[in-house]
Amino acid sequence: EAGVTQFPSHSVIEKGQTVTLRCDPISGHDNLYWYRRVMGKEIKFLLHFVKESKQDESGMPNNRFLAERTGGTYSTLKVQPAELEDSGVYFCASSQDIQLAGRTDTQYFGPGTRLTVL
Amino acid sequence: AQSVSQHNHHVILSEAASLELGCNYSYGGTVNLFWYVQYPGQHLQLLLKYFSGDPLVKGIKGFEAEFIKSKFSFNLRKPSVQWSDTAEYFCAVLLPFNAGNMLTFGGGTRLMVKP
Repeated sequence: EAGVTQFPSHSVIEKGQTVTLRCDPISGHDNLYWYRRVMGKEIKFLLHFVKESKQDESGMPNNRFLAERTGGTYSTLKVQPAELEDSGVYFCASSQDIQLAGRTDTQYFGPGTRLTVL
Repeated sequence: AQSVSQHNHHVILSEAASLELGCNYSYGGTVNLFWYVQYPGQHLQLLLKYFSGDPLVKGIKGFEAEFIKSKFSFNLRKPSVQWSDTAEYFCAVLLPFNAGNMLTFGGGTRLMVKP
């Protein structure tokens, strides 16, 4: 079974440019999450999709960030325009079910995209 | 807001030494607890998880963790580390009845095992 994949693995852009990150979840996983780790800090939640709908986007830092999941399969996270503080590693994760008889499914993570804004 | 604390940012051990990484969280209700590991150049992998039942959880590669509710802790242990355990370890908490379903992570602990 293929895991969560992310593209690109690295991206170096200049301040003010636009970058689009892509995440392909595990096949059949309805839940897709984006997280970010800026240097020296903890991994922080950005948002959560259930199929194509945004379930929770409380962690999105500001309106320069736009996430989509058209068709409920892969997701993109666009940063426009990018700022220096957006540098970090962006992780995507997926899980099959949110709650199943009171249990919570495991989130499986992709390798991350390292974004550097110069 | 819930928070997760990992007290050790960097740990250096020799092979065969015992390991204990601390994790404390700040939420008084029911929680799900996880330890993830990121080996150099690899993605985050699940080591073990606690949902309910036996508070001593065994994971992959000889790791275990103990949930102590009274101490709000979920420390990770391994009796004898190997060089291949060199990695960064993350404790994470999830509130199962939170509609957001997001993980809250600690700051991570970098473990270096000297051969």
